Amino acid sequence: DSGVTQTPKHLITATGQRVTLRCSPRSGDLSVYWYQQSLDQGLQFLIQYYNGEERAKGNILERFSAQQFPDLHSELNLSSLELGDSALYFCASSPWGGSPRDTQYFGPGTRLTVL
Amino acid sequence: KNEVEQSPQNLTAQEGEFITINCSYSVGISALHWLQQHPGGGIVSLFMLSSGKKKHGRLIATINIQEKHSSLHITASHPRDSAVYICAVGSGGSNYKLTFGKGTLLTVNP
Repeated sequence: DSGVTQTPKHLITATGQRVTLRCSPRSGDLSVYWYQQSLDQGLQFLIQYYNGEERAKGNILERFSAQQFPDLHSELNLSSLELGDSALYFCASSPWGGSPRDTQYFGPGTRLTVL
Repeated sequence: KNEVEQSPQNLTAQEGEFITINCSYSVGISALHWLQQHPGGGIVSLFMLSSGKKKHGRLIATINIQEKHSSLHITASHPRDSAVYICAVGSGGSNYKLTFGKGTLLTVNP
């Protein structure tokens, strides 16, 4: 158990809908990262937050947005969903500001299925 | 061409065999990570390397910065080692980026 929690575990929705994925980092960790894992693309970095502020952006679509709240939990919002958004979404956390050398602790993931 | 290439894509071994998984990258990096993903989906960080070699139990990871290459070795492999092993390279500082290989699926048969 990494100490990172994600809810829900599974989510099934329809095209065009909007969903929110939630992540609680390990106690004391200030950085939260979001990743998407699909069968064809593998793992891709979406976005990083550090202590409430956006720190780095990866391959995140404009239809997706995220935020980190004062209690350090984070939410990833996915809107106007398409079939291709079906994937595993992982959250990870690390203690500090997100050096590439930081060990990241991954949550169990949310499996999103868009029908 | 992907920035991070892993080989082999699939690997089947007998229990007790010595395993090597390779990772090559084409960009300048600050660090390289090896991750393990079990069939249930959970991802665990195994190693972070910026130079040299690290060992943890039966796992050994090496990196050659000049050749832009890293290897993950598993000695005395066991069926519980069956998983996907993913190489990821970290670059940037304030413009943080972690780029992943496609993974190597390892199956260790008893």
